[in-house]
Formats: sequence, C-alpha cells, structure tokens
Amino acid sequence: NAGVTQTPKFQVLKTGQSMTLQCAQDMNHNSMYWYRQDPGMGLRLIYYSASEGTTDKGEVPNGYNVSRLNKREFSLRLESAAPSQTSVYFCASTYERGLGTDTQYFGPGTRLTVL
Amino acid sequence: QQPVQSPQAVILREGEDAVINCSSSKALYSVHWYRQKHGEAPVFLMILLKGGEQKGHEKISASFNEKKQQSSLYLTASQLSYSGTYFCGTASNSGYALNFGKGTSLLVTP
Repeated sequence: NAGVTQTPKFQVLKTGQSMTLQCAQDMNHNSMYWYRQDPGMGLRLIYYSASEGTTDKGEVPNGYNVSRLNKREFSLRLESAAPSQTSVYFCASTYERGLGTDTQYFGPGTRLTVL
Repeated sequence: QQPVQSPQAVILREGEDAVINCSSSKALYSVHWYRQKHGEAPVFLMILLKGGEQKGHEKISASFNEKKQQSSLYLTASQLSYSGTYFCGTASNSGYALNFGKGTSLLVTP
C-alpha cells in the first residue's frame, strides 16, 4: 500500500515549456486535490476532484489544467510554465467526497523550478 | 478565505508547553490540524468537527470554539520530534475547499 505517489519528485523547466505532474493513490479514495506551497504562504488549493469524472477550481487555478483520469489518478498540467509557478506541488486524497470530516493524505510533493 | 494562525513562530525548550491558535472570519464546519517537517509532506494530526466530535492522535489535544470560529492546538511536555510547521485547515459548510493558514513554525530545543 503505497498511499499517494507523485512523479516526478524534482523538475526544472524553462519559461514557456509544458509539463504534467502525475498523482496516483491506491487507497480507493474518492476525492483528490492539488495544492501548491510557497514560502510563508501555506498550502493553496489549485484544483480538486470531488469524485471520478468531476473537477473544480480552487483558490489559484490560473495557468493550470487537471484531468481525473480514473478513480486512482489525478494529473496537473502546466501548459506554458512561468517563473511564478516555481513552487512545491502536493497532491492529496480523501475517502470522503469533500473535506469536512475526513483525513487528508498527502503525497511526497514535486519541487518545480521554472527558469 | 485563509484562516489566521498565531503565533507565527515559537521556540520551546524540551518539556515546555505551547498553544497554537487558528481563527476564521467564516462559520466553520470543521478544523483540521497538520504538521509538516522540512522537506516532507504534511501529516495529519487532528480533525475537530462542529458539534464536538474529534478524530486524531491520542497524544494531541485541541479545542474548537464554534461560536468564535476559533481552534487551538495544545502541545504539552514538548519533545524534540514536535519541531516543524503546524497548519490549520478550515472547512466551511459550503463546497469542498479546505483553506489552510500560513503555518506556525515550532522549534523545540534540548
């Protein structure tokens, strides 16, 4: 039982390049989330998927797109990377559809630098 | 809307106690607490629900004042392993978004 896994762990991009961050969970969770973490800012929600087949914008969705490929996988795509997207990206999941009463499990993070 | 945490940072000697506070301007359904060590992912500590239910580690205690939209995390007899950044996350009655505070950095020294 690996929990929540993310690939890659580290990535360096040039401005304008595109990439996809992958996230998978093997806990049969219904909801999945993408956060970014910047120094002194805490965790900010980018997008979430309350259940398979649905996605919704979070607090900071501009410049990102997501795909809930199936129940296990939730990917985050940067179409044209910008230096402002330099951050640590965390994927998380919960069994419950929604965050009110359920523990959130985080992946190890992807550290992205955009030059 | 992002909850406000206080203090921003605290330094303790091993064995001392600390309280970390989290407040919101919105009515809350639940408050979540996580701890993050440098370079690692946040780890679940506790959930406090409207109505009084709590889920979490036995050695961690916290309170949730629904009327004041505030929560406090109590760290007693601190150990070196308690060092890290503590985040509160709040969920309101509407939607699925969990809003995290900016974090409280805790350092426990020998």
